[in-house]
Amino acid sequence: GAGVSQSPSNKVTEKGKDVELRCDPISGHTALYWYRQRLGQGLEFLIYFQGNSAPDKSGLPSDRFSAERTGESVSTLTIQRTQQEDSAVYLCASSPLAGINTGELFFGEGSRLTVL
Amino acid sequence: GNSVTQMEGPVTLSEEAFLTINCTYTATGYPSLFWYVQYPGEGLQLLLKATKADDKGSNKGFEATYRKETTSFHLEKGSVQVSDSAVYFCALIGNTGFQKLVFGTGTRLLVSP
Repeated sequence: GAGVSQSPSNKVTEKGKDVELRCDPISGHTALYWYRQRLGQGLEFLIYFQGNSAPDKSGLPSDRFSAERTGESVSTLTIQRTQQEDSAVYLCASSPLAGINTGELFFGEGSRLTVL
Repeated sequence: GNSVTQMEGPVTLSEEAFLTINCTYTATGYPSLFWYVQYPGEGLQLLLKATKADDKGSNKGFEATYRKETTSFHLEKGSVQVSDSAVYFCALIGNTGFQKLVFGTGTRLLVSP
């Protein structure tokens, strides 16, 4: 597709369950980012992938959170043993090589996670 | 660390009214500044940017000027339309090494006919 695609768009889960969120970046974009937006708060950086380099995981809030990306393709964000405070919209963004450090990111519509 | 503060919403205006959404920032060095917009049912998209002091970013009738002396990047539009109803996010990125885009909390704008 033409834009960043995320799935599922909505996910309701029970506390303690694992969830997996998927992001399909724009074809050819080497950089991929995950952000989280809790209700009433700004976007919180989680993790950044750039090509085959080691990812920047500095924003992951706990070891329950992990993310993978193979090459320049799809990324999955996994949250294990979900807690109610994990409820948020998880946003994925990608950028071409020229866009890195210019702040020009292309965002998906997000995956809304609700943990009961 | 770097941070962005923007005015809380919602901002409610009538069509053709003048819009200002305030944004101030804290950063070391000379960051680049951005406004992103999220229309209902869509992903965030870049609205405008400015990369150095006194630069003015503009797009779709919106403008923002990078004011280093007041560490501000206020968003303005002279005459809003109903179609401008959206959530607006101010953001910055540092200028050394890899820097993550840092966002404000967003301001919802509601424009009525």
